[in-house]
Amino acid sequence: AAGVIQSPRHLIKEKRETATLKCYPIPRHDTVYWYQQGPGQDPQFLISFYEKMQSDKGSIPDRFSAQQFSDYHSELNMSSLELGDSALYFCASSPSPQGVEQYFGPGTRLTVT
Amino acid sequence: GESVGLHLPTLSVQEGDNSIINCAYSNSASDYFIWYKQESGKGPQFIIDIRSNMDKRQGQRVTVLLNKTVKHLSLQIAATQPGDSAVYFCAEHSGGGADGLTFGKGTHLIIQP
Repeated sequence: AAGVIQSPRHLIKEKRETATLKCYPIPRHDTVYWYQQGPGQDPQFLISFYEKMQSDKGSIPDRFSAQQFSDYHSELNMSSLELGDSALYFCASSPSPQGVEQYFGPGTRLTVT
Repeated sequence: GESVGLHLPTLSVQEGDNSIINCAYSNSASDYFIWYKQESGKGPQFIIDIRSNMDKRQGQRVTVLLNKTVKHLSLQIAATQPGDSAVYFCAEHSGGGADGLTFGKGTHLIIQP
């Protein structure tokens, strides 16, 4: 079965650089979520989109922005990167209207040096 | 703020035994409580959920119990297998369609041969 696709899988950036993470949801899923997971931590919800509109907002820094496109894929844009942004970034998708069972992608490991 | 948390960071059980992973939550307004399994290097995987108006739900080899009086959630895994080794997170969802999940601290389940 098709799963959530994230790219790139690994990314190394320097402080103050920008990064863009991409997420391709499961076909026919129109809801996308972004989570950040620090080392040894639980995933923290950042932001979600339903039908290309922002739906819910969590602990997403102002330096980060995201959007969902007409084909339902989503991009997380991160600017002025800080060392503390080093983490695993997961995208999840769900079929509308419920978001209880979210299907997670394999994650993008971002390392900021 | 309100949060979901776990009592034990590591649980070691013998293969074939039953496992019980516990979780305490504080947001009594949540509508769903969910268990996710995360294997090393992978994204969280949905196991089972329970709605707030239920106190027990069974799946394949798993049972989730919800005690709203003491705000306690548990996951029981029957006849544990080596493939059950992973970090288990409890999470809560408001019930609103595209709302993000609030994860608790994970419990690392180790299956001893």
